[in-house]
Amino acid sequence: EAQVTQNPRYLITVTGKKLTVTCSQNMNHEYMSWYRQDPGLGLRQIYYSMNVEVTDKGDVPEGYKVSRKEKRNFPLILESPSPNQTSLYFCASSHTGDYGYTFGSGTRLTVV
Amino acid sequence: GESVGLHLPTLSVQEGDNSIINCAYSNSASDYFIWYKQESGKGPQFIIDIRSNMDKRQGQRVTVLLNKTVKHLSLQIAATQPGDSAVYFCAENQGNQFYFGTGTSLTVIP
Repeated sequence: EAQVTQNPRYLITVTGKKLTVTCSQNMNHEYMSWYRQDPGLGLRQIYYSMNVEVTDKGDVPEGYKVSRKEKRNFPLILESPSPNQTSLYFCASSHTGDYGYTFGSGTRLTVV
Repeated sequence: GESVGLHLPTLSVQEGDNSIINCAYSNSASDYFIWYKQESGKGPQFIIDIRSNMDKRQGQRVTVLLNKTVKHLSLQIAATQPGDSAVYFCAENQGNQFYFGTGTSLTVIP
């Protein structure tokens, strides 16, 4: 089944403790992206990647890092999480950046 | 980022009626639009898309209308069913990025 898999689904962590949210897709998509979803703000792009070793900032990249060492994986790294990063995070992939995305099921992160 | 908004945050319809969800976009250069459905606890799911060289596109029970003159997009759902209850939002493509609206919550009343 074609899908985007995120892990974990739920995560509660403390301020400053580094964490990684994994994302993997099995569709051989070149384009991958991370979004955060907050009430009243909709989906906002954090980072995206056009291909292996090619990443770029979205609209809200502060406090996040990404890497794209393999085509299928696009992890999101929070080096020092803060409470304002409490949010629902989605990973998405697409053949190209200008076509419809397939989204993962989401990761609900709480930073206390 | 660009502003992609929706006229109403919530919409309730009777089962069997047609639903219309609206979206306004701000960038006249945008050339590709998508409607997504997001059910509770799930990721957004692609419903239908339309390119700017079209005014209308139909899928199974869904129709998207694009009015470039007033920068308006709508999603019509025919014979709305309880399974259609979800948040719907539009997305506007600009280059390598999509900008998403905040969504309309559709509730179908049995």
